[in-house]
Amino acid sequence: GQQVMQIPQYQHVQEGEDFTTYCNSSTTLSNIQWYKQRPGGHPVFLIQLVKSGEVKKQKRLTFQFGEAKKNSSLHITATQTTDVGTYFCAGISMEYGNKLVFGAGTILRVKS
Amino acid sequence: EAGVAQSPRYKIIEKRQSVAFWCNPISGHATLYWYQQILGQGPKLLIQFQNNGVVDDSQLPKDRFSAERLKGVDSTLKIQPAKLEDSAVYLCASSLITGTPGANVLTFGAGSRLTVL
Repeated sequence: GQQVMQIPQYQHVQEGEDFTTYCNSSTTLSNIQWYKQRPGGHPVFLIQLVKSGEVKKQKRLTFQFGEAKKNSSLHITATQTTDVGTYFCAGISMEYGNKLVFGAGTILRVKS
Repeated sequence: EAGVAQSPRYKIIEKRQSVAFWCNPISGHATLYWYQQILGQGPKLLIQFQNNGVVDDSQLPKDRFSAERLKGVDSTLKIQPAKLEDSAVYLCASSLITGTPGANVLTFGAGSRLTVL
């Protein structure tokens, strides 16, 4: 079945450092979404990318969708303690019935 | 706008007992999802409804799990009998109807945390 893999599983950074998480799909995606889950909370939608090579920014967060539409990345510039949480990518593939499949997530911890 | 409501927030049961979770989606959201999130993993889709019809239940363990969405609004997810490996957070999410701009974007509820002893 469709697989969505994320690396790293866990990252601990000093406040002010940058952070990147990568997402790779076993199949070509029609779109990819990113969600953030705070400790003890529920996933909250951040952004959706649909075009090959697309880049979107939200303040200190930069999201990219690969040219082949099989990978994506989330980069956070100058992390803050409020960035703590688990970041999930989730992809939709027509090949697998247009279901949204989540990766296992990257846990981000920020030391102040 | 009100968010996705779920109850109960926490439930502790013994194995072989039964449990039911309730979800009320965002008003106007025709599509409703139940996800299972085991600690340290991403959410896994159990079942997807559009209005009161099932769109996808391919990953629902039908020997013990059941779900319904009568009248196309509220939904309940039942587990009977529960096993130890069912310990997880059960997340309900809703979205606009397929084909609508933004239809794929999910709004999650706070979740129901189940512990099976």
